[in-house]
Parts: sequence; structure tokens; C-alpha cells
Amino acid sequence: GAVVSQHPSWVICKSGTSVKIECRSLDFQATTMFWYRQFPKQSLMLMATSNEGSKATYEQGVEKDKFLINHASLTLSTLTVTSAHPEDSSFYICSARDPQPERTDTQYFGPGTRLTVL
Amino acid sequence: AQSVAQPEDQVNVAEGNPLTVKCTYSVSGNPYLFWYVQYPNRGLQFLLKYITGDNLVKGSYGFEAEFNKSQTSFHLKKPSALVSDSALYFCAVRGRAAGNKLTFGGGTRVLVKP
Repeated sequence: GAVVSQHPSWVICKSGTSVKIECRSLDFQATTMFWYRQFPKQSLMLMATSNEGSKATYEQGVEKDKFLINHASLTLSTLTVTSAHPEDSSFYICSARDPQPERTDTQYFGPGTRLTVL
Repeated sequence: AQSVAQPEDQVNVAEGNPLTVKCTYSVSGNPYLFWYVQYPNRGLQFLLKYITGDNLVKGSYGFEAEFNKSQTSFHLKKPSALVSDSALYFCAVRGRAAGNKLTFGGGTRVLVKP
């Protein structure tokens, strides 16, 4: 149980285009999902908290107009990188918090999406 | 503000030997503590967590961790390391107040040599 998937696993795009990354909780409903960014050989940096049915909460320094987050259902959150540039190239990882009482304190992570902007 | 320190960037250990990955934390009040493992180009896999109760927590793949409140530590241990344990390990902490976010340490790379 508590499986989180991401799609695509990797994507290469041209500078100036937009890319959408999907995060799904496969066997539980997640009212809260999280989006992280990881640079090579570094730790995870929280970008935003995605709340089902409401606006995402962005961390300081993260451009909400560039990184659009939509949490339209209890099992799906999407991150759209708009007008991507090479500096947006990174590993993007989502996570979801399982609301089941015995798991509610634990975040479960997706496999990540490698974005390369040319 | 909460924080996590993993003092070792890399830990090298021979297969069959004990493995320890160190973690210390700082948070207001009692913490939620977690260990995750990351394999190359993969997301994080949950290993174990401390919420309350017994200070020694047992998790997946033979790993365990001991919560030490006085030393604010949560070191990860495995009695006998396997080559397949070679990966990147992250310690994380979250305060108990609603809305608190998960804060990660910088990660420790474990290399288990045959």
C-alpha cells in the first residue's frame, strides 16, 4: 500500500515550452501532496504544498506563476513548468501524505521526474 | 526553525559489517523522525519512522534506528550491510504542530564494498 506514481519519468523539452508532470496516489486518497526539487548530489527542496480543492502553498523563493500546481482530485496533483529554461532542469519529486490513521504522519514519495531543458 | 544534520557525506563499509548513518535534529517540541533511502534516479523509499513509544524503531530491509532525546539524535543502523544497501540515505524531521513541513538532512551516501 501507499504507492505514489509520477509521469513521465523523464522528459526533454526545448527552452520556452511548458511541461506537465503528474503525481498520483494509487491506493489511497491524498488531500495533501508535496512537490520537491532535487539538484545533483543535493537534498530535497520543498517547492510547494498542494491541497485538494484549494490553491497551493508555495515556499519562499518559488515562483508560483512559473510552477503551476493543480490538485483537482484526491489522487492527482500536477506540476506545470511554464516557459521552461535550462536552469529549470532538475529532478522533480512528489509525495503524498496517506490519511489513514496509522500512516498519516508519513509521506510517501513518487519515483521522480527528470526534466532536461535544452 | 527545524533542521537536520547528517555529518557524513559518505560512509564506506565492507559487506557483512555493521552500518551506521548518523543524524541529529533540531525542532520545537517532540519530533516526528524519518529515514528514507534513494537509489539512483529514483524517488525516496520510506524505511522507518519514530512517532512515539519505544526508542528503538525497526524498519524495512533489516534497518533500525534509535531515538535519543537527550542527544537529539536518530542514527540509522543495520547489523550486517549488503552490497545492495549502497544508496543515498536521508534523515528527516517534522514538528508535531499541524502544518509543519518535513525537513531533510543533506543526505549520506553509503557504499558497501563486497
